[in-house]
Amino acid sequence: SQKIEQNSEALNIQEGKTATLTCNYTNYSPAYLQWYRQDPGRGPVFLLLIRENEKEKRKERLKVTFDTTLKQSLFHITASQPADSATYLCALALHYAGNMLTFGGGTRLMVKP
Amino acid sequence: ETGVTQTPRHLVMGMTNKKSLKCEQHLGHNAMYWYKQSAKKPLELMFVYSLEERVENNSVPSRFSPECPNSSHLFLHLHTLQPEDSALYLCASSQGQSSYNEQFFGPGTRLTVL
Repeated sequence: SQKIEQNSEALNIQEGKTATLTCNYTNYSPAYLQWYRQDPGRGPVFLLLIRENEKEKRKERLKVTFDTTLKQSLFHITASQPADSATYLCALALHYAGNMLTFGGGTRLMVKP
Repeated sequence: ETGVTQTPRHLVMGMTNKKSLKCEQHLGHNAMYWYKQSAKKPLELMFVYSLEERVENNSVPSRFSPECPNSSHLFLHLHTLQPEDSALYLCASSQGQSSYNEQFFGPGTRLTVL
């Protein structure tokens, strides 16, 4: 079965720095990856999607990369702010699985002023 | 109401009780999902409905019974649950079950089984 690993330890960074979160997967190559943000007591909120044939996607201060050789996606937040503090989840969908997502355990990001 | 709503937000039940979780989406989507989120574990997909027909079961115990009466509403009927079923239950919807679209999540129901 597909296994997704995200840094289980919290990531603490200083305001203004770039946060980089890692998502590694095993076995099959996904058709695409999605990144979500989850705040305590709330449901996840979609941020970005990147397809298997795309190397990089950007949206404002967010950037996602996808390396199918390394089986890895990186999620970057530039000029981080305390309001970016949350748990970030990566999710992948396999070619035959349509929109059925497999989620990683998430990485908790803390941005300190 | 906008987006995806879930009721109740919190539920405490005994192992012999029967309860139901409700989800409603106001986005005009045609696919809906139930997920379970336990402490220190990834989100687990439980059920998928597309055009009101169940597509995926994911080997969920029969004490969880989903119902999708129309494309806007999704229920999760609970009976004779176990304490390990205590978790955050999240509902989501998307436009199309076989497309590359994002999923919109509700706020979840925090379930505690005593």
